Amino acid sequence: AQRVTQPEKLLSVFKGAPVELKCNYSYSGSPELFWYVQYSRQRLQLLLRHISRESIKGFTADLNKGETSFHLKKPFAQEEDSAMYYCALSWGNYQLIWGAGTKLIIKP
Amino acid sequence: DVKVTQSSRYLVKRTGEKVFLECVQDMDHENMFWYRQDPGLGLRLIYFSYDVKMKEKGDIPEGYSVSREKKERFSLILESASTNQTSMYLCASSPPPGTEAFFGQGTRLTVV
Repeated sequence: AQRVTQPEKLLSVFKGAPVELKCNYSYSGSPELFWYVQYSRQRLQLLLRHISRESIKGFTADLNKGETSFHLKKPFAQEEDSAMYYCALSWGNYQLIWGAGTKLIIKP
Repeated sequence: DVKVTQSSRYLVKRTGEKVFLECVQDMDHENMFWYRQDPGLGLRLIYFSYDVKMKEKGDIPEGYSVSREKKERFSLILESASTNQTSMYLCASSPPPGTEAFFGQGTRLTVV
């Protein structure tokens, strides 16, 4: 069955330190993966998708099919990165499978 | 700018009440979704709709129903609210599959 796992419920790092939010998936086909972010008191929004291979707000994510991972990385964390982050996998015609989310706290 | 608007930001209802949560999108998207968002559980799909008058059950449809009479509007109905339905409810819409989902601001429902 399709599944998305975010092993860390909470991740706390100091400002300026590197950040890595982990996401592992199980899916037998070709996955389409996304990272969504929810800042405090704001709506959930797309951060980036693997197919576009772009960097948004300094974040990148590489799809590793061998390890079935799609970890989100940023070399230097900023306080405004504090938010809830969700990894999601798209399959079939309509479905998005969501991870449980990781709360990222950037300490000053 | 895509807008998905949920009718209420906060709701407090009594056990046994029938509750309506409304969602409207202005981008002519075919697909609309209702999710529950609970800490540690991520987003769980309640129902989705891929066309007017069409609906499909998600992972946790029990105790809920939906209505989509017009393309832009997708309603979630709690037939008889219970305390375990206290949660944040998120509506989303998307164009073709595999593309970006756009979310409403959420409705925090408390059932007392």
